[in-house]
Amino acid sequence: GQQLNQSPQSMFIQEGEDVSMNCTSSSIFNTWLWYKQDPGEGPVLLIALYKAGELTSNGRLTAQFGITRKDSFLNISASIPSDVGIYFCAGQKFSTSGTYKYIFGTGTRLKVLA
Amino acid sequence: DGGITQSPKYLFRKEGQNVTLSCEQNLNHDAMYWYRQDPGQGLRLIYYSQIVNDFQKGDIAEGYSVSREKKESFPLTVTSAQKNPTAFYLCASSIDPRRTKSSGANVLTFGAGSRLTVL
Repeated sequence: GQQLNQSPQSMFIQEGEDVSMNCTSSSIFNTWLWYKQDPGEGPVLLIALYKAGELTSNGRLTAQFGITRKDSFLNISASIPSDVGIYFCAGQKFSTSGTYKYIFGTGTRLKVLA
Repeated sequence: DGGITQSPKYLFRKEGQNVTLSCEQNLNHDAMYWYRQDPGQGLRLIYYSQIVNDFQKGDIAEGYSVSREKKESFPLTVTSAQKNPTAFYLCASSIDPRRTKSSGANVLTFGAGSRLTVL
């Protein structure tokens, strides 16, 4: 099945550093979603983006919906140890048949070194 | 509080046995989904249902079956035909974005997951 291109695949960073990750696709999406997953748990929504060009913040997190509607990025500022986990992007779009679907990125595994 | 409840959290199965994973939501969401996650991997769609009494195969439906008899419930059965069932299974739900103009509708909410291990 289709998956979004998410990069980087993994990151090791020092506490206090800023983090940036992105997702790209050849398809246009109506909505971009960013999730964080802790080990052994379900993904939790961090930020939802609904309009091309939209820039939204949630605490130390900032995400943007690309102008072309084919990409999105997530920034984490001043990382802390509890930021460790897997970050997933997801795009939502309507199909030609009128149904809708969510496509997920392959995930970015973040490890923060104290 | 509204949410999605998956049970059991951990399940062990002998080869050749069918097992059923439960997923219940009280969010009044229209659509429900099952995903499989293998270690270090992303999410792969098994089945989804956008309306009661109807469901569609996802990317990896072979060896799995589902039912959607009630809006709140979407159980997944892992059959003996599934060759490599050991994985982490995630259930999710969403409002049908076609029903509402609210931009907040286009969000997937996940359960806490169920880990299945085949012995």
